[in-house]
Amino acid sequence: DTEVTQTPKHLVMGMTNKKSLKCEQHMGHRAMYWYKQKAKKPPELMFVYSYEKLSINESVPSRFSPECPNSSLLNLHLHALQPEDSALYLCASSQVLGQPGAEQFFGPGTRLTVL
Amino acid sequence: GQSLEQPSEVTAVEGAIVQINCTYQTSGFYGLSWYQQHDGGAPTFLSYNALDGLEETGRFSSFLSRSDSYGYLLLQELQMKDSASYFCAVPTSGNTPLVFGKGTRLSVIA
Repeated sequence: DTEVTQTPKHLVMGMTNKKSLKCEQHMGHRAMYWYKQKAKKPPELMFVYSYEKLSINESVPSRFSPECPNSSLLNLHLHALQPEDSALYLCASSQVLGQPGAEQFFGPGTRLTVL
Repeated sequence: GQSLEQPSEVTAVEGAIVQINCTYQTSGFYGLSWYQQHDGGAPTFLSYNALDGLEETGRFSSFLSRSDSYGYLLLQELQMKDSASYFCAVPTSGNTPLVFGKGTRLSVIA
């Protein structure tokens, strides 16, 4: 199984809502990532988890809160978002951190719209 | 920091060959990756070059020149399904996470 799954596919939320994005992989990968991608732009790294511990936070606002409950799951909790946070949120995984050329496996993303 | 430059759009005819260039400026260089992303889809890994030279994988090849801070992706025998965005990317500080170029949108026409 070389698949990363993400739920939901689409999410519409108001600025006062709290929601969560979920990501799952069963490839035994120990590095997992959240990227944000705006339309016609490249993915931008947000967070990196290595062995279920937060390794990198790319100065992301606190209204985004990541969580890695176990080695297969990655969540992104959303609270008090702004309309400019509307984007495609991509989850990815790789075997481990620290392998510069290692393939990252991306999920299909959650398309988030903040009203 | 890292910056990568690639053309924003390329159009090519079905069956032809197209080359997508990428120049980079990085503080420390470990290698250059290429990813493909169809509209509405997930990025998928195409190749990684750590050393100078050409790497071939089927219809796709990737080239790197470390001395010129330059690489390219070569797509041969273009098919309509190759219409997608192509991103070059480098690891952040030698780690696995990626910094992507702005992407090249390839349109294959009949």
